Amino acid sequence: AQSVSQHNHHVILSEAASLELGCNYSYGGTVNLFWYVQYPGQHLQLLLKYFSGDPLVKGIKGFEAEFIKSKFSFNLRKPSVQWSDTAEYFCAVISGGSYIPTFGRGTSLIVHP
Amino acid sequence: NAGVTQTPKFQVLKTGQSMTLQCAQDMNHNSMYWYRQDPGMGLRLIYYSASEGTTDKGEVPNGYNVSRLNKREFSLRLESAAPSQTSVYFCATGQGGNQPQHFGDGTRLSIL
Repeated sequence: AQSVSQHNHHVILSEAASLELGCNYSYGGTVNLFWYVQYPGQHLQLLLKYFSGDPLVKGIKGFEAEFIKSKFSFNLRKPSVQWSDTAEYFCAVISGGSYIPTFGRGTSLIVHP
Repeated sequence: NAGVTQTPKFQVLKTGQSMTLQCAQDMNHNSMYWYRQDPGMGLRLIYYSASEGTTDKGEVPNGYNVSRLNKREFSLRLESAAPSQTSVYFCATGQGGNQPQHFGDGTRLSIL
């Protein structure tokens, strides 16, 4: 069964700092990868996704992620965070032809102004 | 979030009471899902429905039942609520593969 690990459970940054959140998955076959963001009191919404092509994908609000197949990783990055990026971030993986995503446990990001 | 609508948004129950959480979508997606979200636990899948007429257990199905009424609607029922079921419940839709899920706004359920 697929598993997804998010190594950073809580991250606290100051505005303008750079961000990198780790995500590793276990299944070695074809995967579709997603990062979702959940702002306080809101539902999850898609930040970005990868399913093929250029392993560096760009999403909304200046976020990007890099798929490294050899490392089973899909890390999320942002060069300069803002206070409004305070949220919980979830990595998710759908394996092969499945329709059931596996979610990581989430990373809580707090950005101080 | 017109795509996936959950009702109610908030609910307080007493132990032993029953209730049904409603979810309706206008995304025309085949698959629908119910998750619960608890602090530090991420999202855990309760039940899912790959298509109209089918339902399957997820990671944490005990204490819950579901009904896929039609393509648009997928309800979650707590027959005899327990304090351990205090959580935020999210309904989601999807098509699987490389398509992302779309989530409702959630139902915040407290069981006393």
